[in-house]
Amino acid sequence: GAVVSQHPSWVICKSGTSVKIECRSLDFQATTMFWYRQFPKQSLMLMATSNEGSKATYEQGVEKDKFLINHASLTLSTLTVTSAHPEDSSFYICSATLAGAIDTQYFGPGTRLTVL
Amino acid sequence: KQEVTQIPAALSVPEGENLVLNCSFTDSAIYNLQWFRQDPGKGLTSLLLIQSSQREQTSGRLNASLDKSSGRSTLYIAASQPGDSATYLCAVRRLQGAQKLVFGQGTRLTINP
Repeated sequence: GAVVSQHPSWVICKSGTSVKIECRSLDFQATTMFWYRQFPKQSLMLMATSNEGSKATYEQGVEKDKFLINHASLTLSTLTVTSAHPEDSSFYICSATLAGAIDTQYFGPGTRLTVL
Repeated sequence: KQEVTQIPAALSVPEGENLVLNCSFTDSAIYNLQWFRQDPGKGLTSLLLIQSSQREQTSGRLNASLDKSSGRSTLYIAASQPGDSATYLCAVRRLQGAQKLVFGQGTRLTINP
Protein backbone atom coordinates (compact mmCIF):
# COMPACT_ATOMS: atom_id res chain seq x y z
CA GLY A 1 0.00 0.00 0.00
CA ALA A 2 0.91 3.65 -0.25
CA VAL A 3 3.35 4.86 2.37
CA VAL A 4 3.77 8.35 3.77
CA SER A 5 6.73 9.21 5.96
CA GLN A 6 7.42 12.16 8.21
CA HIS A 7 10.72 13.48 9.47
CA PRO A 8 11.59 14.00 12.20
CA SER A 9 9.37 11.77 14.31
CA TRP A 10 9.96 14.05 17.28
CA VAL A 11 11.73 17.32 17.86
CA ILE A 12 12.45 19.53 20.84
CA CYS A 13 13.35 23.15 20.25
CA LYS A 14 13.78 26.38 22.12
CA SER A 15 11.17 29.10 22.06
CA GLY A 16 11.74 31.52 19.20
CA THR A 17 13.41 29.07 16.84
CA SER A 18 11.95 27.64 13.65
CA VAL A 19 11.33 23.97 12.98
CA LYS A 20 10.83 22.24 9.65
CA ILE A 21 8.81 19.02 9.33
CA GLU A 22 8.95 16.96 6.15
CA CYS A 23 6.19 14.83 4.70
CA ARG A 24 7.06 12.43 1.90
CA SER A 25 5.01 10.06 -0.20
CA LEU A 26 7.39 7.17 -0.72
CA ASP A 27 5.85 5.15 -3.51
CA PHE A 28 3.31 7.40 -5.18
CA GLN A 29 2.90 10.94 -6.43
CA ALA A 30 0.75 13.04 -4.15
CA THR A 31 -0.97 15.93 -5.86
CA THR A 32 -2.48 17.06 -2.59
CA MET A 33 -1.14 16.89 0.95
CA PHE A 34 -2.86 17.90 4.15
CA TRP A 35 -1.41 19.08 7.42
CA TYR A 36 -3.17 18.43 10.74
CA ARG A 37 -2.37 19.16 14.34
CA GLN A 38 -3.55 17.16 17.29
CA PHE A 39 -3.45 18.22 20.91
CA PRO A 40 -3.34 15.53 23.61
CA LYS A 41 -6.55 13.52 23.80
CA GLN A 42 -8.15 15.71 21.15
CA SER A 43 -9.02 15.18 17.55
CA LEU A 44 -7.14 16.08 14.42
CA MET A 45 -7.69 19.61 13.23
CA LEU A 46 -6.97 20.41 9.60
CA MET A 47 -4.48 23.25 9.30
CA ALA A 48 -3.98 23.56 5.57
CA THR A 49 -4.33 21.89 2.21
CA SER A 50 -1.27 21.86 0.00
CA ASN A 51 -1.34 21.32 -3.75
CA GLU A 52 1.87 20.71 -5.64
CA GLY A 53 3.18 23.85 -7.28
CA SER A 54 0.67 26.23 -5.75
CA LYS A 55 0.16 28.11 -2.52
CA ALA A 56 -1.36 26.27 0.39
CA THR A 57 -4.93 26.92 1.47
CA TYR A 58 -5.14 27.55 5.18
CA GLU A 59 -8.11 26.84 7.42
CA GLN A 60 -9.73 29.67 9.30
CA GLY A 61 -7.73 30.67 12.34
CA VAL A 62 -4.44 29.20 11.16
CA GLU A 63 -1.69 31.80 10.74
CA LYS A 64 -0.10 31.30 7.34
CA ASP A 65 2.93 33.37 8.27
CA LYS A 66 3.58 31.20 11.28
CA PHE A 67 3.00 27.84 9.64
CA LEU A 68 4.78 27.98 6.30
CA ILE A 69 3.89 25.19 3.91
CA ASN A 70 5.84 24.33 0.78
CA HIS A 71 4.82 21.62 -1.69
CA ALA A 72 7.59 21.87 -4.24
CA SER A 73 7.35 18.36 -5.66
CA LEU A 74 4.81 15.56 -6.02
CA THR A 75 6.47 13.61 -3.23
CA LEU A 76 7.43 16.23 -0.67
CA SER A 77 5.65 18.84 1.41
CA THR A 78 7.21 20.73 4.29
CA LEU A 79 5.70 22.53 7.25
CA THR A 80 7.86 25.13 8.96
CA VAL A 81 6.79 26.39 12.34
CA THR A 82 8.35 29.82 12.57
CA SER A 83 9.27 31.49 15.85
CA ALA A 84 7.88 28.55 17.77
CA HIS A 85 6.35 29.04 21.21
CA PRO A 86 5.32 26.52 23.85
CA GLU A 87 1.69 26.72 22.72
CA ASP A 88 2.79 25.35 19.34
CA SER A 89 3.77 22.11 21.05
CA SER A 90 1.58 19.48 19.46
CA PHE A 91 1.46 16.35 17.32
CA TYR A 92 1.60 17.26 13.62
CA ILE A 93 0.33 14.74 11.09
CA CYS A 94 0.37 14.95 7.32
CA SER A 95 -1.62 12.99 4.79
CA ALA A 96 -1.38 12.62 1.04
CA THR A 97 -3.77 11.77 -1.75
CA LEU A 98 -3.40 10.44 -5.25
CA ALA A 99 -4.69 12.46 -8.16
CA GLY A 100 -8.39 11.70 -8.66
CA ALA A 101 -8.67 9.64 -5.46
CA ILE A 102 -10.27 12.24 -3.27
CA ASP A 103 -11.57 9.78 -0.68
CA THR A 104 -8.25 8.07 -0.09
CA GLN A 105 -5.82 9.79 2.24
CA TYR A 106 -2.67 8.09 3.40
CA PHE A 107 -1.47 9.35 6.75
CA GLY A 108 2.05 9.81 7.97
CA PRO A 109 3.16 8.60 11.41
CA GLY A 110 3.19 12.10 12.86
CA THR A 111 5.80 14.42 14.37
CA ARG A 112 5.80 15.31 18.04
CA LEU A 113 6.94 18.92 18.51
CA THR A 114 7.87 20.16 21.96
CA VAL A 115 8.81 23.81 22.35
CA LEU A 116 10.60 24.69 25.57
CA LYS B 1 -20.33 24.10 9.91
CA GLN B 2 -19.95 20.33 10.15
CA GLU B 3 -19.34 19.01 13.64
CA VAL B 4 -18.55 15.41 14.49
CA THR B 5 -19.09 13.98 17.96
CA GLN B 6 -18.06 10.60 19.30
CA ILE B 7 -19.52 8.88 22.33
CA PRO B 8 -18.19 7.59 24.64
CA ALA B 9 -14.88 9.41 24.96
CA ALA B 10 -13.38 6.35 26.61
CA LEU B 11 -14.44 2.74 26.97
CA SER B 12 -12.92 -0.16 28.86
CA VAL B 13 -14.27 -3.68 28.41
CA PRO B 14 -13.09 -7.24 29.08
CA GLU B 15 -11.66 -9.29 26.28
CA GLY B 16 -14.18 -11.16 24.18
CA GLU B 17 -17.02 -8.68 24.46
CA ASN B 18 -18.81 -7.18 21.50
CA LEU B 19 -18.94 -3.40 21.58
CA VAL B 20 -20.33 -0.40 19.73
CA LEU B 21 -18.74 2.98 19.20
CA ASN B 22 -20.93 5.88 18.22
CA CYS B 23 -20.38 8.83 15.90
CA SER B 24 -22.78 11.65 15.07
CA PHE B 25 -22.50 14.52 12.63
CA THR B 26 -24.53 17.70 12.31
CA ASP B 27 -24.73 18.12 8.53
CA SER B 28 -26.12 15.15 6.61
CA ALA B 29 -24.74 16.46 3.31
CA ILE B 30 -21.70 14.22 3.37
CA TYR B 31 -19.68 12.57 0.62
CA ASN B 32 -18.65 9.64 2.80
CA LEU B 33 -17.70 8.65 6.34
CA GLN B 34 -14.54 6.93 7.44
CA TRP B 35 -13.43 5.15 10.60
CA PHE B 36 -9.77 5.21 11.60
CA ARG B 37 -7.65 3.65 14.29
CA GLN B 38 -4.85 5.55 16.00
CA ASP B 39 -2.32 3.90 18.30
CA PRO B 40 -0.62 6.12 20.92
CA GLY B 41 1.83 8.55 19.33
CA LYS B 42 1.18 7.16 15.87
CA GLY B 43 -0.55 8.14 12.67
CA LEU B 44 -3.92 6.92 11.44
CA THR B 45 -4.91 3.59 9.93
CA SER B 46 -8.07 3.50 7.85
CA LEU B 47 -10.50 0.80 8.97
CA LEU B 48 -13.68 1.27 6.97
CA LEU B 49 -15.07 3.79 4.51
CA ILE B 50 -18.79 4.11 3.86
CA GLN B 51 -20.03 6.06 0.86
CA SER B 52 -23.06 8.26 1.42
CA SER B 53 -25.22 5.87 -0.62
CA GLN B 54 -24.24 2.85 1.48
CA ARG B 55 -25.72 1.60 4.75
CA GLU B 56 -22.83 -0.45 6.06
CA GLN B 57 -19.39 -1.87 5.45
CA THR B 58 -17.71 -4.90 6.98
CA SER B 59 -14.12 -5.93 7.40
CA GLY B 60 -13.36 -8.97 9.51
CA ARG B 61 -14.64 -8.38 13.03
CA LEU B 62 -15.53 -4.78 12.24
CA ASN B 63 -18.85 -3.53 10.95
CA ALA B 64 -19.68 0.12 10.36
CA SER B 65 -23.15 1.42 9.69
CA LEU B 66 -24.33 4.75 8.37
CA ASP B 67 -27.66 6.48 8.77
CA LYS B 68 -27.11 9.68 6.87
CA SER B 69 -30.56 11.14 7.45
CA SER B 70 -30.15 10.99 11.22
CA GLY B 71 -26.48 11.92 11.13
CA ARG B 72 -25.24 8.78 12.83
CA SER B 73 -22.70 6.04 12.34
CA THR B 74 -21.71 3.13 14.53
CA LEU B 75 -18.63 0.95 14.58
CA TYR B 76 -19.30 -2.55 15.87
CA ILE B 77 -16.36 -4.63 17.05
CA ALA B 78 -17.05 -8.31 17.59
CA ALA B 79 -15.15 -10.56 19.98
CA SER B 80 -12.82 -7.80 21.13
CA GLN B 81 -9.13 -8.55 21.70
CA PRO B 82 -6.41 -6.70 23.65
CA GLY B 83 -4.84 -5.76 20.32
CA ASP B 84 -7.96 -3.73 19.54
CA SER B 85 -6.96 -1.24 22.24
CA ALA B 86 -6.47 2.11 20.51
CA THR B 87 -8.26 5.36 19.81
CA TYR B 88 -10.96 5.11 17.16
CA LEU B 89 -11.69 8.20 15.12
CA CYS B 90 -14.70 8.90 12.96
CA ALA B 91 -14.41 11.43 10.13
CA VAL B 92 -16.73 12.74 7.44
CA ARG B 93 -16.06 14.24 4.05
CA ARG B 94 -18.34 17.05 3.04
CA LEU B 95 -19.98 17.20 -0.35
CA GLN B 96 -18.25 20.48 -1.08
CA GLY B 97 -14.50 20.30 -0.71
CA ALA B 98 -14.79 16.54 -0.49
CA GLN B 99 -11.10 16.01 0.06
CA LYS B 100 -11.31 17.55 3.51
CA LEU B 101 -11.97 15.34 6.50
CA VAL B 102 -13.73 16.58 9.64
CA PHE B 103 -12.80 14.42 12.60
CA GLY B 104 -14.54 13.55 15.82
CA GLN B 105 -12.55 13.66 19.04
CA GLY B 106 -12.24 9.89 19.18
CA THR B 107 -13.08 7.06 21.54
CA ARG B 108 -10.18 5.62 23.57
CA LEU B 109 -10.81 1.90 23.75
CA THR B 110 -9.12 -0.41 26.23
CA ILE B 111 -9.63 -4.15 26.04
CA ASN B 112 -8.66 -5.86 29.28
CA PRO B 113 -7.22 -9.39 29.08
